[in-house]
Amino acid sequence: GAVVSQHPSRVICKSGTSVKIECRSLDFQATTMFWYRQFPKKSLMLMATSNEGSKATYEQGVEKDKFLINHASLTLSTLTVTSAHPEDSSFYICSARETGGVREQYFGPGTRLTVT
Amino acid sequence: QKEVEQNSGPLSVPEGAIASLNCTYSDRGSQSFFWYRQYSGKSPELIMSIYSNGDKEDGRFTAQLNKASQYVSLLIRDSQPSDSATYLCAVIGDAGNMLTFGGGTRLMVKP
Repeated sequence: GAVVSQHPSRVICKSGTSVKIECRSLDFQATTMFWYRQFPKKSLMLMATSNEGSKATYEQGVEKDKFLINHASLTLSTLTVTSAHPEDSSFYICSARETGGVREQYFGPGTRLTVT
Repeated sequence: QKEVEQNSGPLSVPEGAIASLNCTYSDRGSQSFFWYRQYSGKSPELIMSIYSNGDKEDGRFTAQLNKASQYVSLLIRDSQPSDSATYLCAVIGDAGNMLTFGGGTRLMVKP
């Protein structure tokens, strides 16, 4: 299957700072990438859909000014958590779908964010 | 509200048995169906996709789709303790581009 990477895998930051998470499709081009958040023992929650070259589409209740998404190339999307607070501590996972009508969606390994 | 429903479990089966995981969905126009496996603390891993009515087999896994009943299932033959995980059913609806996930079924395979 297709490979999606994320960096960093784990990050600890202080309240009020910003954290950038990178998501890369390693062996395919992805026009669309997705960002999810998952709290312990809870379901995946879609935060936003990231489209290469255009603005991301955010799900209801997700603050676009707090979670900045940039999808500048067909293999890279970034999520920046701005002015992080302890309640932003979570497991952030990206996924990608190959360009060209392929329906399978592959997930990155996730980034565990802890805000102190 | 487009929904995907799964029994949360845990579903406990002995090693070597067949594990049967079920999923129903509400959007009758859905065309694409997926099963993901998620180990604790890890991200989901795609294990099966199915688009047409009937069965699709891949190794020990068989996905079954019945669009008339809006039902998709996953069978795991010769279950192993390493299969113990949460299995997520996911659906792409007819109007959409995004996966809608069920809540997942936790499978426990006991040696």
